[in-house]
Amino acid sequence: ETGVTQTPRHLVMGMTNKKSLKCEQHLGHNAMYWYKQSAKKPLELMFVYNFKEQTENNSVPSRFSPECPNSSHLFLHLHTLQPEDSALYLCASSQELPSGNTIYFGEGSWLTVV
Amino acid sequence: AQTVTQSQPEMSVQEAETVTLSCTYDTSESNYYLFWYKQPPSRQMILVIRQEAYKQQNATENRFSVNFQKAAKSFSLKISDSQLGDTAMYFCAASATGKLIFGQGTTLQVKP
Repeated sequence: ETGVTQTPRHLVMGMTNKKSLKCEQHLGHNAMYWYKQSAKKPLELMFVYNFKEQTENNSVPSRFSPECPNSSHLFLHLHTLQPEDSALYLCASSQELPSGNTIYFGEGSWLTVV
Repeated sequence: AQTVTQSQPEMSVQEAETVTLSCTYDTSESNYYLFWYKQPPSRQMILVIRQEAYKQQNATENRFSVNFQKAAKSFSLKISDSQLGDTAMYFCAASATGKLIFGQGTTLQVKP
């Protein structure tokens, strides 16, 4: 068990669908993150939440909508995605911001947009 | 803004030998942290080692050690006595405000 759990692990969705990715951390952390990992690209930071407040939106298209109802849960709502959005989406958490605390990752959710 | 650069897309090493992965970074912050993460085929990102920039002593974790050259903004990872289980993609990352910025990654293959 990693301490950061992501569901579903695999998701295939059509471009007109609406789906959500879920992340839960059991580490007592207060900061949570979404990263996107595409083939042959560095990990891209998408969103950052600190104590449930969004502190970073890294120019992410509005078809990705994050939600952080509490410090333990983070969602990524998906709607009208494009095939180029197919990627591994990694959730992570750390103690809090700003700091150099270690960031812990989940196992990722593989998203395929068809 | 922070940038992290890994100039070696792929590397290989014989089992039991030593290999060094390169990383350079750029940041305008005076206080920051540097990390190496490992991503095996399972895709689980695992922390390998962490370095605080204000500490001059190089961090060490068992077979893993870093060569931190602050003036040159260089942060290389040395893996000693390489094992087959070390086969993975390795990412260098920097954090000044808690947000990790990653390099492009280096795929390491350990050969028997």
